[in-house]
Amino acid sequence: GAGVSQSPSNKVTEKGKDVELRCDPISGHTALYWYRQSLGQGLEFLIYFQGNSAPDKSGLPSDRFSAERTGGSVSTLTIQRTQQEDSAVYLCASSLDGYEQFFGPGTRLTVL
Amino acid sequence: DQQVKQNSPSLSVQEGRISILNCDYTNSMFDYFLWYKKYPAEGPTFLISISSIKDKNEDGRFTVFLNKSAKHLSLHIVPSQPGDSAVYFCAATRGRAGSYQLTFGKGTKLSVIP
Repeated sequence: GAGVSQSPSNKVTEKGKDVELRCDPISGHTALYWYRQSLGQGLEFLIYFQGNSAPDKSGLPSDRFSAERTGGSVSTLTIQRTQQEDSAVYLCASSLDGYEQFFGPGTRLTVL
Repeated sequence: DQQVKQNSPSLSVQEGRISILNCDYTNSMFDYFLWYKKYPAEGPTFLISISSIKDKNEDGRFTVFLNKSAKHLSLHIVPSQPGDSAVYFCAATRGRAGSYQLTFGKGTKLSVIP
């Protein structure tokens, strides 16, 4: 594909359930980022993967959040025991050089 | 503590006039700055960037100015077109630190009136 893809585009879940969000980066991009945008806020950094290096998890808001990147390509962001404050648009981005990041369309998560 | 601030949530400009979007930052370690444009239901798209060693970068109708002493940057769009109507995010990064994570402002919604 030409760009970053994310699935699902929308997810509605009940409080306390686990959710998995998927990101397919641009082929060949070694860097992958997860951000989230809550209502009325800017984008907030969550986690960063670069090649085979240990990920930078400094932006994860709690230990209910985790992410994996398998084979240096697809990434999954998992939120356990979802809370209403987790409702946001979750955006994935990939990059070749680190500076210019290409974003996917996002997953809109609603926790009821 | 918000490290990147866009103090104007919205801006309206007549078609053909100049749009000026402003951004302030507090972290002097930032060394690269970017502007992203976002349409509803889409991810942000990269627009233009500037390194901290420069004070101006131009790309067609878009120019970004950086004033390091004031910790201020601005995006100029001239002439403005209706298709420029979108939310514009200012972002900054510490690339030399190795992570390249972007710190974003809250965005400015630009409306270009035909």
